Amino acid sequence: ETGVTQTPRHLVMGMTNKKSLKCEQHLGHNAMYWYKQSAKKPLELMFVYNFKEQTENNSVPSRFSPECPNSSHLFLHLHTLQPEDSALYLCASSQDNRQGPHNEQFFGPGTRLTVL
Amino acid sequence: QKEVEQDPGPLSVPEGAIVSLNCTYSNSAFQYFMWYRQYSRKGPELLMYTYSSGNKEDGRFTAQVDKSSKYISLFIRDSQPSDSATYLCAMRAGNQFYFGTGTSLTVIP
Repeated sequence: ETGVTQTPRHLVMGMTNKKSLKCEQHLGHNAMYWYKQSAKKPLELMFVYNFKEQTENNSVPSRFSPECPNSSHLFLHLHTLQPEDSALYLCASSQDNRQGPHNEQFFGPGTRLTVL
Repeated sequence: QKEVEQDPGPLSVPEGAIVSLNCTYSNSAFQYFMWYRQYSRKGPELLMYTYSSGNKEDGRFTAQVDKSSKYISLFIRDSQPSDSATYLCAMRAGNQFYFGTGTSLTVIP
């Protein structure tokens, strides 16, 4: 295991539902990330938090709302999603968000989301 | 044009073969280059992390970066069935990460 856990592992929701994805890291890291992985597409970076402050929002629709209450926990709140939002949502963490060696990202196992 | 191009495969090789995986990129600002391995129903796992041009070796894995050609490679020697996975290249410029689509590899016993 990488030290990054995600719950739930699988989620099926209707377009009118509200749900949340949870990520927790036990590595003492200060940066956390949300990625979207769709079939036959590259991983897409969605949000970056560094020391609980959001530093990147890559033009993600407002139906995705991140929350980082502390450096160990990251949430992704979902509401009024579309079927094309179905994907694997991956959380990652790193020591902080600076470039450099020994600052690699560790990924969780992901949440497989299906929007009906 | 995509930031990172990677042949999705699938690639199938016999056990013991040398595997070559490649990515090309267009952004000369990329400074850090990574290879991840992703098994089915798991998150990506970092294999190699390199900076600037040159080679880096770790056991059976060798990563090469040629910044003048904007080309990176991952070589796997003496491939094993346990190497069967999807391999993702990734690059970093500032706070932005760019990934390839991944190459699916199967090593046949």
